[in-house]
Amino acid sequence: GENVEQHPSTLSVQEGDSAVIKCTYSDSASNYFPWYKQELGKRPQLIIDIRSNVGEKKDQRIAVTLNKTAKHFSLHITETQPEDSAVYFCAASINSGAGSYQLTFGKGTKLSVIP
Amino acid sequence: DTAVSQTPKYLVTQMGNDKSIKCEQNLGHDTMYWYKQDSKKFLKIMFSYNNKELIINETVPNRFSPKSPDKAHLNLHINSLELGDSAVYFCASSREDRVETQYFGPGTRLLVL
Repeated sequence: GENVEQHPSTLSVQEGDSAVIKCTYSDSASNYFPWYKQELGKRPQLIIDIRSNVGEKKDQRIAVTLNKTAKHFSLHITETQPEDSAVYFCAASINSGAGSYQLTFGKGTKLSVIP
Repeated sequence: DTAVSQTPKYLVTQMGNDKSIKCEQNLGHDTMYWYKQDSKKFLKIMFSYNNKELIINETVPNRFSPKSPDKAHLNLHINSLELGDSAVYFCASSREDRVETQYFGPGTRLLVL
């Protein structure tokens, strides 16, 4: 099955600095890579995703890059703000049959933005 | 938002009991999922279900069983609860026809005493 490794497990940055979280995946058939943000006590919420036919995607201060050859993808947050503090999860999705797509999540990165 | 809802929000129960968690989505999605998030925040898929197939993660004990009365609901039944079942359980849903975003419910925090 798919295996997703995520690093670092914790990350502290000063407000205004950039944060980068990296993930690798094992199954070359994976074709969809979402990133979820989970604030304390809340549900995971999608913040950005990328599909395997795209190398980079940007949404305001958030960007994701994908290197299919190396099987790794990264989340970049620029001009970090205290409200960016949360746990971030990367995931990789493969077709598990009959139209179902299963997500395998990384173990999460706890991002702390210091004011 | 109430796109994917779960009840109850909190569940405290004794070891050995049988309990259920309900999930409903009003997004018209075809596929629903159950995830377990343990104390270390690891998110692990337990089941995915659409009207064609139930896919079970092989590590899930058979004390756990999903039941879908209709396309909008996927309930989770847990028999003979154990201490290690304590976790937050998230329901999610997505469209079937292609790789698509999964929308999560608010979670049910289960504590087994």
